[in-house]
Amino acid sequence: AAGVIQSPRHLIKEKRETATLKCYPIPRHDTVYWYQQGPGQDPQFLISFYEKMQSDKGSIPDRFSAQQFSDYHSELNMSSLELGDSALYFCASSLVPNYNEQFFGPGTRLTVL
Amino acid sequence: SQQGEEDPQALSIQEGENATMNCSYKTSINNLQWYRQNSGRGLVHLILIRSNEREKHSGRLRVTLDTSKKSSSLLITASRAADTASYFCATQYSGGGADGLTFGKGTHLIIQP
Repeated sequence: AAGVIQSPRHLIKEKRETATLKCYPIPRHDTVYWYQQGPGQDPQFLISFYEKMQSDKGSIPDRFSAQQFSDYHSELNMSSLELGDSALYFCASSLVPNYNEQFFGPGTRLTVL
Repeated sequence: SQQGEEDPQALSIQEGENATMNCSYKTSINNLQWYRQNSGRGLVHLILIRSNEREKHSGRLRVTLDTSKKSSSLLITASRAADTASYFCATQYSGGGADGLTFGKGTHLIIQP
């Protein structure tokens, strides 16, 4: 069965650079979620989209923005990168937004030097 | 937002024994979910229990939910070496929309062969 696809899988950036992470949800899934997991930490919810509209917002820094496109894929844009942004970034998708299982992608490991 | 707290933080048992992990949260929820994560990998959904359910089974997994105590437990019976992983509980708020999950700190489970 098709799973959530994230690209790139690994990314190395310098401080103050920008990064764009992409997420392709499971086919027919209309809801996308972004999470950040620092080393040894639990995942932290950043933001979610349903039918291309922002739905819920968590602890997403102002330097980050995201959107969901007409084909339901999503991109997380990160600017003015800081060392503390080094983390695993997960995307998850679900078929309907409310109170259902979220399927997680393999994650993008971002390292900021 | 509510936060799940788990105990123990780490658990080491012999293969074949049962493993029990606990999770507590602070506010009302729509559902509570358990996820497994192998080191540095993606999150795998194990089971979802809704607020009007008290117990749920899936294979060797048994989850209980006590909304009066705002707590849940995950029991893995007849553990195997392959069960070695971190286990997270995650709650979803009753706010509607594509609510993000709030994860607990996780329990690192080690199954000794």
